[in-house]
Amino acid sequence: KAGVTQTPRYLIKTRGQQVTLSCSPISGHRSVSWYQQTPGQGLQFLFEYFSETQRNKGNFPGRFSGRQFSNSRSEMNVSTLELGDSALYLCASSLATHDLTEAFFGQGTRLTVV
Amino acid sequence: QKEVEQDPGPLSVPEGAIVSLNCTYSNSAFQYFMWYRQYSRKGPELLMYTYSSGNKEDGRFTAQVDKSSKYISLFIRDSQPSDSATYLCAASGGYNKLIFGAGTRLAVHP
Repeated sequence: KAGVTQTPRYLIKTRGQQVTLSCSPISGHRSVSWYQQTPGQGLQFLFEYFSETQRNKGNFPGRFSGRQFSNSRSEMNVSTLELGDSALYLCASSLATHDLTEAFFGQGTRLTVV
Repeated sequence: QKEVEQDPGPLSVPEGAIVSLNCTYSNSAFQYFMWYRQYSRKGPELLMYTYSSGNKEDGRFTAQVDKSSKYISLFIRDSQPSDSATYLCAASGGYNKLIFGAGTRLAVHP
């Protein structure tokens, strides 16, 4: 079956702009998590959605937001982009009902802020 | 102090060697532990998933968790050049919040 699909794969934005990234989970998976990966900080948890509700949130500023639709697809938005937001943004999907099951990652969206 | 600590390496071994990758964690509430493999410019790929303490084997890979010492290990037997990648350990913080180590870069040379 199809894996986790993230679009677009690459993005270049200017400081101050905003950006929206999309994630389609594996069919049947209702949980979507987002992560930021940078060389300096590694993989850091942004937030997790299950059945359109945000259940968990990492330590990122309010400029980072997300949502999940009824078909489990999720979007992540970053407003007022800063140079430090340049990173690989990854989403992971899982079946997870009330706790953890295996999380499968997409290929990521590489965001460059100039 | 990070909740999950991992030596970033790099680690270089000859083909056929046994590779040992290790992490430590500080939060005793962690119950689920994972190992991911990430090739350059790709997303992380789930290798092993364990719950609580014990061993789990899958082909050439063995994952160990020792909750008493808060130690996570991944062993790769008969390592191959195709195993060259970055290996990430992770622990669950609940509701699919994964806490990752820094990742260890492994190079297996022929």
